[in-house]
Amino acid sequence: EVQLVESGGGLVQPGGTLRLSCAASGFTFRSHWMSWVRQAPGKGLEWVANIKQDGSEKYYVDSVEGRFTISRDNAKNSLYLQMNSLRVEDTAVYYCVTSYYYDSSGYSPDGYWGPGTLVTVSS
Amino acid sequence: ETVMTQSPATLSVSPGERATLSCRASQSVNSNLAWYQQKPGQAPRLLIYAASTRATGIPARFSGSGSGTEFTLTISGLQSEDFALYYCQQYNNWPPRTFGQGTKVEIK
Repeated sequence: EVQLVESGGGLVQPGGTLRLSCAASGFTFRSHWMSWVRQAPGKGLEWVANIKQDGSEKYYVDSVEGRFTISRDNAKNSLYLQMNSLRVEDTAVYYCVTSYYYDSSGYSPDGYWGPGTLVTVSS
Repeated sequence: ETVMTQSPATLSVSPGERATLSCRASQSVNSNLAWYQQKPGQAPRLLIYAASTRATGIPARFSGSGSGTEFTLTISGLQSEDFALYYCQQYNNWPPRTFGQGTKVEIK
């Protein structure tokens, strides 16, 4: 059974930093693109970033480019999101998501989602 | 950026009836279109990918159709557990991989 468990969320002041982690199990982590998707309170879903199987390619939504960094450790079956210069508008539940099937080019839907971790940016 | 537009925002349906949800893309996404279901306090769940393929374990009452810019999710014989939020997402033209704003299916 695929399991994704996020951690690291919490309350942080504007301009602060936070590092999210995602522990993966139940599938071959190193074979899947991984993503972070967020959802602001009462709002819709927003794709944030994704990373290729070997970490050689990383992509971001414009609003976090230069502030957030996605990374992975295949030896530890873990995904990370380093968030710097946080803004009030970054407040959201952050979901760790795996691609549904193996695809080297990234054209697989987002298949399995963790329960999410809440990040609140407020003074 | 490919903008995804879902309609209607809210759909009121009686149990046992059919619900038809629409998703339109601002440019062609071929068949790289997925549908997700989200219930309050839960993570989204993949229902349909490649526009019309049901994900593992998804009941046959869920069906998807369309290609290019126009897509439809049909739920036949709505059951109580189907009342939820539904999102479409394109994964053809990225980054970013964009979602629609969602359609809420509520009990009539």
